[in-house]
Amino acid sequence: TQLLEQSPQFLSIQEGENLTVYCNSSSVFSSLQWYRQEPGEGPVLLVTVVTGGEVKKLKRLTFQFGDARKDSSLHITAAQPGDTGLYLCAGSESGGSNYKLTFGKGTLLTVNP
Amino acid sequence: DAGITQSPRHKVTETGTPVTLRCHQTENHRYMYWYRQDPGHGLRLIHYSYGVKDTDKGEVSDGYSVSRSKTEDFLLTLESATSSQTSVYFCAIRGQMEQPQHFGDGTRLSIL
Repeated sequence: TQLLEQSPQFLSIQEGENLTVYCNSSSVFSSLQWYRQEPGEGPVLLVTVVTGGEVKKLKRLTFQFGDARKDSSLHITAAQPGDTGLYLCAGSESGGSNYKLTFGKGTLLTVNP
Repeated sequence: DAGITQSPRHKVTETGTPVTLRCHQTENHRYMYWYRQDPGHGLRLIHYSYGVKDTDKGEVSDGYSVSRSKTEDFLLTLESATSSQTSVYFCAIRGQMEQPQHFGDGTRLSIL
């Protein structure tokens, strides 16, 4: 069974600070998704990265896929209270069944005003 | 938003009773998934479907069964609910294999 390790598990910061969340595995993924989940709702897709070394930007969020496609990071610049939520990474196994995703356990981010 | 509706949104029931959760989609997507989300465990796959009447087990399938008699509906059944099945259940859909999954808003199930 593939594992995706996310770190940190919990992060509490002040508005305006920068932060980085990491998603690591010993396995290679053909693609990796980042989701954000708010209380009482389902995860909402933020981005999909496919190519090793790929960098994608979504306003103040920057996503990077490692060169070897085993890890990814999410960097938030000048965090705002609206960024508060659970951030999940999920990967599709390379060479395996593409029906299924492996999820990390998530990073719970709180941005205080 | 992806057209996914989960019902019911909340349910409280007793140990030993049967429970069925419904996931309905309006996207005509081929793949559908059931997950449970628990503190400390993240999202874990229960069962998934890759077409009408085509289903397979995920990593935590014991105690659960599923059925998909038409493209738009994927049912999850707990034949005899146990307290360990208290959780939040999410349905997800996916169009093609290279596309990401999209999630419903979940069902909060409490088994007393």
